[in-house]
Amino acid sequence: GAVVSQHPSWVICKSGTSVKIECRSLDFQATTMFWYRQFPKQSLMLMATSNEGSKATYEQGVEKDKFLINHASLTLSTLTVTSAHPEDSSFYICSARVGGTPAFFGQGTRLTVV
Amino acid sequence: DAKTTQPNSMESNEEEPVHLPCNHSTISGTDYIHWYRQLPSQGPEYVIHGLTSNVNNRMASLAIAEDRKSSTLILHRATLRDAAVYYCILRDGDGGSNYKLTFGKGTLLTVNP
Repeated sequence: GAVVSQHPSWVICKSGTSVKIECRSLDFQATTMFWYRQFPKQSLMLMATSNEGSKATYEQGVEKDKFLINHASLTLSTLTVTSAHPEDSSFYICSARVGGTPAFFGQGTRLTVV
Repeated sequence: DAKTTQPNSMESNEEEPVHLPCNHSTISGTDYIHWYRQLPSQGPEYVIHGLTSNVNNRMASLAIAEDRKSSTLILHRATLRDAAVYYCILRDGDGGSNYKLTFGKGTLLTVNP
């Protein structure tokens, strides 16, 4: 299957700072990318959908000013968690697809805010 | 959103077949059935998807009921590496390129040696 890579795999940051997570589609051009969040022992929760060159569409209850998404190219999307707090600690996962084909997922980024 | 229902957990023995059921009684005519699995501390992995006909690939088979209200993911010979949470998801959207995947709780598959 297609390869989607996230960086970093894990990050620890201080409360109040911002953290950027990158998501790259390595062997295909992704028309659409998604960002999910997963808390321990829970399922994935969709945060937002982004199409290249357009503003992201956020799910209800997700603060767009806190979770900044940029999808500047067909192979790169970034999620920036601004002014992170301990409650933002979670497993963040991106996925990417081309048109109506199946979506492929990155390996996830473990964010710990201390 | 069309919803799916899966057992919370299932158990299997190594090298035996595993049948993972999924009910989706409110499925619409254009909804594809997707299966993903997630190993601990990893992102989900695509397994298989289908619309009406049964599908086979190197990982698994997907059997879809004639009325499409249920489906079964079949792992022909379970290995310890197949232990994961398996998600059955209906493609949400207009049936074309504009869709998103909404995850339920999935089925935790345990494989015994």
